[in-house]
Amino acid sequence: QKEVEQNSGPLSVPEGAIASLNCTYSDRGSQSFFWYRQYSGKSPELIMFIYSNGDKEDGRFTAQLNKASQYVSLLIRDSQPSDSATYLCAVIPSGGSYIPTFGRGTSLIVHP
Amino acid sequence: DAGVIQSPRHEVTEMGQEVTLRCKPISGHDYLFWYRQTMMRGLELLIYFNNNVPIDDSGMPEDRFSAKMPNASFSTLKIQPSEPRDSAVYFCASRGVKSALDTQYFGPGTRLTVL
Repeated sequence: QKEVEQNSGPLSVPEGAIASLNCTYSDRGSQSFFWYRQYSGKSPELIMFIYSNGDKEDGRFTAQLNKASQYVSLLIRDSQPSDSATYLCAVIPSGGSYIPTFGRGTSLIVHP
Repeated sequence: DAGVIQSPRHEVTEMGQEVTLRCKPISGHDYLFWYRQTMMRGLELLIYFNNNVPIDDSGMPEDRFSAKMPNASFSTLKIQPSEPRDSAVYFCASRGVKSALDTQYFGPGTRLTVL
């Protein structure tokens, strides 16, 4: 069973702070990693993907990947109340099917 | 593009009734996925299709669930008979290219309540 683990939270941060969301995965051969944001009552939407070790930045979002330690993280700088949502980590495992395994998500609350 | 379209958006039914959920993928996408999301179990993959052919239905919980994709622009997920434990949000998603970097696009979901 290839697993993706996330702390369910909620993670509560003040407005303007950095929110750090973490995800670990069990399949060492995993290839690609995605972060989805899901607002309450809405569907997941892709916000970041990363496939190489290191950091990838897009606006206020930074994805960090460490394949040796098998974790991927999402940093949100200058957090806004509108960032309050559940963040799902998805991992493409080894094996060639390219079907992602999703974590159960971390709930983020940004309070004014 | 209108994105992935699902209907109905909400469905309330009584135990034992047949439920049919519908999905129209993004035009040109070759992969279609059906997911179920609950608080207890998170997002679960039920079944996926490639070029209208079911590839993996190992996530389908039991024989009460069935899915079809008669053509590239339409898929159904049917539950017969429905049970209260089937209450969940059901998402359809589509993807264009089978690659490690391609992503899925989700529909708005169908919130199913079985009384």
